[in-house]
Order: sequence, then C-alpha cells, then structure tokens
Amino acid sequence: EIVMTQSPATLSVSPGERATLSCRASQSVSSHLAWYQQKPGQAPRLLIYDASTRATDIPVRFSGSGSGTEFTLTISGLQSEDFAVYYCQQYNKRPPWTFGQGTKVEIK
Amino acid sequence: QVQLVESGGGVVQPGGSLRLSCAASGFTFSTFGMHWVRQAPGKGLEWVAFIEHDGSSAYYADSVEGRFTVSRDSSKNTLYLQMNSLRSEDTAVYHCARAHYYFDHWGQGTLVTVSS
Repeated sequence: EIVMTQSPATLSVSPGERATLSCRASQSVSSHLAWYQQKPGQAPRLLIYDASTRATDIPVRFSGSGSGTEFTLTISGLQSEDFAVYYCQQYNKRPPWTFGQGTKVEIK
Repeated sequence: QVQLVESGGGVVQPGGSLRLSCAASGFTFSTFGMHWVRQAPGKGLEWVAFIEHDGSSAYYADSVEGRFTVSRDSSKNTLYLQMNSLRSEDTAVYHCARAHYYFDHWGQGTLVTVSS
C-alpha cells in the first residue's frame, strides 16, 4: 500500500497570501496524484488531477506540481472561500486508493 | 449536471447490518466505475470499495473485506453498499464517488453510526 503524507497538518495564512501544501508518497506514483478541497459539512471537491491539471471550473489560483514522490499544491492569493481542508490522493497503484491525512488551511 | 445522492444511513448496533444506496443522475451511469469513501467524525478520507462500470469486478479496503459488498443496478442508476458485521470503527459519513482513476464527483454522504 502506498502511504501518502501531507505537511503541514495546519497552515495559517492571511487572506491574499500564498499557501503551499506538500504531499509525499512512500513510493513513486508518477503523476497519478489528485488534490481535493473539503469544507465543513460538504463533500470533497476535485481540484487537481494528474498532479497539475485543474479540474473543471477550478480557479487559476490553484496550481499543482511535482512527480514521483513529491508534490505541491499552491494557492495564490488566498480568498475567504479557500479556507478548508485539502487532501492529496494517489491512483498510480490501486487498490487501495490512498489519501493523505489532510492539511487544514486556516485564517491567520 | 452530475448528481450523486446517498441514503440509507442511520444508527445500528454492533454486529448489525445496513444497506446504503447512491442514486446517480446527469451522466451515463453504466459507463463509469464507482467508489465508496468514508470519513469518520473529525478524521480524514478512507477509500472503502470500488466496482467496475459493468459490475464485473469489485475491490475492498482490508478494513471492510469480507464484511461489506458493493453492487450496482444500472437499470436504476443506483450504487449499493451492503454492510454486515458492523463495528464501532465503521462509524462515519459514507460518500459515493464517480470514478475516473481519481474521484471527479462526490455525493454529500450519509451518516452511519454504530453504537449500542
């Protein structure tokens, strides 16, 4: 099973600033990585797939990068609606499909 | 637009059973694999089960293997999760999700509470 590790657990950022979230895989997942956003009481929403491709209707301030075992989600110019929990997920070697434990982006 | 609506959650005693449903609309259900993903209270996301678009194969997390069964009825555009021998650690919100290799659409989820 591929273990996904996200850091930090919590990120405190001021509105308008940039947030950088990290995700590490226990073995290479090539570019088969997705990022999701989840707000309280809501379903997760797909943001990024194939490590760097934005999903439909996702704003350009969200960008993904990386390959192999190291990945980054960058949110440029944080807006109030971006404060949420973010998960990475690998789909290179499945089953199982595995998620990171999440990074909470909170208002500083 | 794609819609996934789960139902069937509730409170059940340890050792009991429950069947969840996920009603799909807005896409050709029979051409997509489907997943179940759960989230325990205050915790992260855990993949539970996957079924191929035609129901030919299914896969399970080790934590539910032998207790849960995923199925689908394409005539009703509905995905199911039969959960038997429930344990307290199965308490979670259960989401269905449409599959590419990633999860591109999710339902809001249905809460399952296993408690005596």
